Amino acid sequence: EAGVVQSPRYKIIEKKQPVAFWCNPISGHNTLYWYRQNLGQGPELLIRYENEEAVDDSQLPKDRFSAERLKGVDSTLKIQPAELGDSAVYLCASSLVRGAQAPDTEAFFGQGTRLTVV
Amino acid sequence: AQTVTQSQPEMSVQEAETVTLSCTYDTSENNYYLFWYKQPPSRQMILVIRQEAYKQQNATENRFSVNFQKAAKSFSLKISDSQLGDTAMYFCAFSPNSGYALNFGKGTSLLVTP
Repeated sequence: EAGVVQSPRYKIIEKKQPVAFWCNPISGHNTLYWYRQNLGQGPELLIRYENEEAVDDSQLPKDRFSAERLKGVDSTLKIQPAELGDSAVYLCASSLVRGAQAPDTEAFFGQGTRLTVV
Repeated sequence: AQTVTQSQPEMSVQEAETVTLSCTYDTSENNYYLFWYKQPPSRQMILVIRQEAYKQQNATENRFSVNFQKAAKSFSLKISDSQLGDTAMYFCAFSPNSGYALNFGKGTSLLVTP
């Protein structure tokens, strides 16, 4: 079974340029997450989708970040325009959530995209 | 808001020895989920072990086990018979509900030496 696939693995852009990241979750997973991981820190949630609905985007900087999850499958995360402080690893994860108290939910992560803004 | 604290930025252990990584958290929830994730240089986060707060029994997965102290809000990870492949960043994480986002600590860098 294929895992969570992210592309590109690395991206270097100049500040003020746009950039987009793509995520293909595990087939059948209804929940998708985007996290940002700054150097030396743990990942922090940007947005969580349940199917195609964004149910938690409170930490997404909406002035420059946008995300979509078409047909509840693939997802893209976009930054426009990028700033120097956006340099980080962007991680996508997915899970199959069967219910609020289902104990066996596990989030599977992709390998991330390392963004460098110069 | 829930916070997760890992007080050991770096740890080192010799191969075949045992090491314990510390984690404390803060929450007002009674039921929640706790996790330890491993992140090797490849950057992919891999689930090591999971604990449901309503379960009193500590979770174990082969060489990995946890010491879950609910009253103290402590969740430490013990790695027995350490192997070179255990070298990685280890993150403690909290989730208030199944499927919700994970709140991660800052991580502990573990080095296993020959």
